[in-house]
Amino acid sequence: KAGVTQTPRYLIKTRGQQVTLSCSPISGHRSVSWYQQTPGQGLQFLFEYFSETQRNKGNFPGRFSGRQFSNSRSEMNVSTLELGDSALYLCASSSGFIDEQYFGPGTRLTVT
Amino acid sequence: GEDVEQSLFLSVREGDSSVINCTYTDSSSTYLYWYKQEPGAGLQLLTYIFSNMDMKQDQRLTVLLNKKDKHLSLRIADTQTGDSAIYFCAERTAGYSTLTFGKGTMLLVSP
Repeated sequence: KAGVTQTPRYLIKTRGQQVTLSCSPISGHRSVSWYQQTPGQGLQFLFEYFSETQRNKGNFPGRFSGRQFSNSRSEMNVSTLELGDSALYLCASSSGFIDEQYFGPGTRLTVT
Repeated sequence: GEDVEQSLFLSVREGDSSVINCTYTDSSSTYLYWYKQEPGAGLQLLTYIFSNMDMKQDQRLTVLLNKKDKHLSLRIADTQTGDSAIYFCAERTAGYSTLTFGKGTMLLVSP
């Protein structure tokens, strides 16, 4: 069974631009969560989608948004990029509420 | 609020056992996880334990949970150089899918 895939793996953007990251969960998984990883703050939860609905949201500004499609693939968008948005963005999929979460390799975003 | 604490660094020699410790504050935590992250990679789920268990063993890995003290540990037997990585402890509260992570423990295994 294929694992969680994320595209692109690396991205360089300029302040003020916007970016869209994509995540394809493990086949059959309906829940996708997004996390931001930085050296200073560690791993922080962004949001979780289940069956195309946002089920939970972390403490991030409204510039961070996401969505999930009917095939469970998810995208997250960051608008008006700031230098502090430079991070590794990790996507995790699970089959539902209780199960363990499997992570993708991440997208490394650098904002200059 | 929820908080997960880990020591930042552990150095061991190849063949020794490694013990990585974690404490958490959320008394309603029902699942506790250990993830491994190698340089440039995502998180690899190593093992997890339900809060009603005291111990779980999986090959070289042993997880011990002291629910009274809210203390979790991961023991790696016969540590190898390939075990060098950052290890994250995470907790999940019942009814929620969100994971709260510690800052990670960097394990360095020397030959």
